[in-house]
Amino acid sequence: GNSVTQMEGPVTLSEEAFLTINCTYTATGYPSLFWYVQYPGEGLQLLLKATKADDKGSNKGFEATYRKETTSFHLEKGSVQVSDSAVYFCASKTSYDKVIFGPGTSLSVIP
Amino acid sequence: GAVVSQHPSWVICKSGTSVKIECRSLDFQATTMFWYRQFPKQSLMLMATSNEGSKATYEQGVEKDKFLINHASLTLSTLTVTSAHPEDSSFYICSARAEATDTQYFGPGTRLTVL
Repeated sequence: GNSVTQMEGPVTLSEEAFLTINCTYTATGYPSLFWYVQYPGEGLQLLLKATKADDKGSNKGFEATYRKETTSFHLEKGSVQVSDSAVYFCASKTSYDKVIFGPGTSLSVIP
Repeated sequence: GAVVSQHPSWVICKSGTSVKIECRSLDFQATTMFWYRQFPKQSLMLMATSNEGSKATYEQGVEKDKFLINHASLTLSTLTVTSAHPEDSSFYICSARAEATDTQYFGPGTRLTVL
């Protein structure tokens, strides 16, 4: 079945540091891939997505590239801010199927 | 962009009572909605898929008689937690699928606390 694995947290970074959160997936077929962000006490917000191989999703300085050869969709940001502190979920979905979430990675950015 | 709302945003109830949570797609129609449960510091676990005009499809291990789902219209699905107990305390999140783009939009979640 489909599954998503992401790096264990929590991750603590200083402001302006470089961020990478690794995500790999297994799926039958060719899934769409997503990164969602959840701020404390809130629901999920779609951060970015990619629907096919080599696509790059980007939003708010975050980027992730759909790598079919390594079945990966790593999230990166060049310079994190305190306001980026949140939990980040990698997810996959095949057409008209349910969304499968990774376990989430908690990020804390300290001034 | 598409908006999904949930009501209430939080609820506290006594053990043994039932609680209804609403999920609405505000600017699009959704024949399919999904209900998730999230325990503290954990990921979202899909509970069931709600289909407009038909019975919900429950994931393995989810008690359908305890978590009643009704999808009465193309913009509303409800989850009723019957005879709630403290172990049902959790964050419940719904999502609605926009058919035209096959995109799911998530609601802000409902925090349920059962005393």
